[in-house]
Amino acid sequence: GAVVSQHPSRVICKSGTSVKIECRSLDFQATTMFWYRQFPKQSLMLMATSNEGSKATYEQGVEKDKFLINHASLTLSTLTVTSAHPEDSSFYICSARVDRYQPQHFGDGTRLSIL
Amino acid sequence: AQSVTQLDSQVPVFEEAPVELRCNYSSSVSVYLFWYVQYPNQGLQLLLKYLSGSTLVESINGFEAEFNKSQTSFHLRKPSVHISDTAEYFCAVSDRDYKLSFGAGTTVTVRA
Repeated sequence: GAVVSQHPSRVICKSGTSVKIECRSLDFQATTMFWYRQFPKQSLMLMATSNEGSKATYEQGVEKDKFLINHASLTLSTLTVTSAHPEDSSFYICSARVDRYQPQHFGDGTRLSIL
Repeated sequence: AQSVTQLDSQVPVFEEAPVELRCNYSSSVSVYLFWYVQYPNQGLQLLLKYLSGSTLVESINGFEAEFNKSQTSFHLRKPSVHISDTAEYFCAVSDRDYKLSFGAGTTVTVRA
C-alpha cells in the first residue's frame, strides 16, 4: 500500500515551454502533498507544501509564479514549471501523506531537462 | 526548527562487510527520525523510522538504527552488505507535523 505515482518520469523540452508534472496517490487519499527539488549529488530541497483545496505554501526563495502547484483532489497534485529555462533542469520529487500524523510516501521523481 | 548532519558523504565498502552511516540531528522539540534509501533515478523509499518506544529499530532487509537521545544521533548499520545495497541514503528528521528536513545524503558503494 501507500503508492505514489509520478508522471512523466523524464521530460526533455525546449527553453520557454511550460511543463506539467503529475503526482498521484494510488491507494490512499492525500490531504497533503509535497514537492521537492534535488540537484545532482545533493539532498532534497522542499519547494512547497500543497493541501487539498487550498493554495500551496512555498518555501523561501521559491517563485510561486514560476512553479505553479494545483492540488484539486485528494489523489492528485500537479506542478507546472512555467516558461522553463535550462537552470530549471533538475530532478523533481513529490510525496504524499494521509494526514499530519502519517509519514510521507514518495514518488519516483521526474527528470526535467531544458535545452 | 530541525537540522540533520550526515557525517560521511561517501562510504565505500566491500561486499559482506559491515557498514555504519552516521546521522546527527538538532532540534528544540521532540522529533521523529527516518532513514530513506534512493536508488539511481528513483524517488525515496522509507527504510526505517523511529517514532517512539524501543530505541533500536530494524528494517526487513537487515538494516537497523538506534536512536540515542543524549548524543542526538540516529546511526544506520548493517552487519553484512550486498551489492544491491549500493545507493544513496538520507537521514531525515521531522517534528510531530511530519514535515521533513533531510541530511545531505551518504553514497554507499558496495564492491565485490
